[in-house]
Amino acid sequence: EAGVTQFPSHSVIEKGQTVTLRCDPISGHDNLYWYRRVMGKEIKFLLHFVKESKQDESGMPNNRFLAERTGGTYSTLKVQPAELEDSGVYFCASSQEGAGKDRYEQYFGPGTRLTVT
Amino acid sequence: RKEVEQDPGPFNVPEGATVAFNCTYSNSASQSFFWYRQDCRKEPKLLMSVYSSGNEDGRFTAQLNRASQYISLLIRDSKLSDSATYLCVVKDRSNYQLIWGAGTKLIIKP
Repeated sequence: EAGVTQFPSHSVIEKGQTVTLRCDPISGHDNLYWYRRVMGKEIKFLLHFVKESKQDESGMPNNRFLAERTGGTYSTLKVQPAELEDSGVYFCASSQEGAGKDRYEQYFGPGTRLTVT
Repeated sequence: RKEVEQDPGPFNVPEGATVAFNCTYSNSASQSFFWYRQDCRKEPKLLMSVYSSGNEDGRFTAQLNRASQYISLLIRDSKLSDSATYLCVVKDRSNYQLIWGAGTKLIIKP
């Protein structure tokens, strides 16, 4: 079974430009999450989708960040305009609701390393 | 104060040694507890969920003390392949957010 995939793996952009990150969750997973790790800091939650609906976007840093999940499949995270402090690794994760010990396990993608110069 | 605090590390230990990681969390409403492992420039992967009764998986033992809001991970007979960053993670009752510690880097030396 394919895992969570993310594209691109790396992105280098200039301050003020726009970048769009993509995440494809594990097939059948209704829950999709975005997290971010900036240099020297812990991983931080950004937001959570259940299917196409935003369940929790309390971690989104500001209105320069826009996440979508049209159709409830893949998701995009757009940063516009990018600032220097947006540099970091953006992880996507997905999980499947259900009974059993794996109910809450979130499976992570390899991340997108974003560098804003 | 951080929500989840871990030993800053790194831990440099010889192969075969026993290693203990400690973690404390500040939110008493936290419901679920995990240890994740992250290799360099890779994604974090679930190592173990942590239960109040304690749980063991081979060389790995996790313990939870809710009264002290303390979580531990013990690795026995450490292997070179155990070298990684170990992340303490909690989740509260109200949502699906994972709250992460900064991680402790482990380096196993031959």
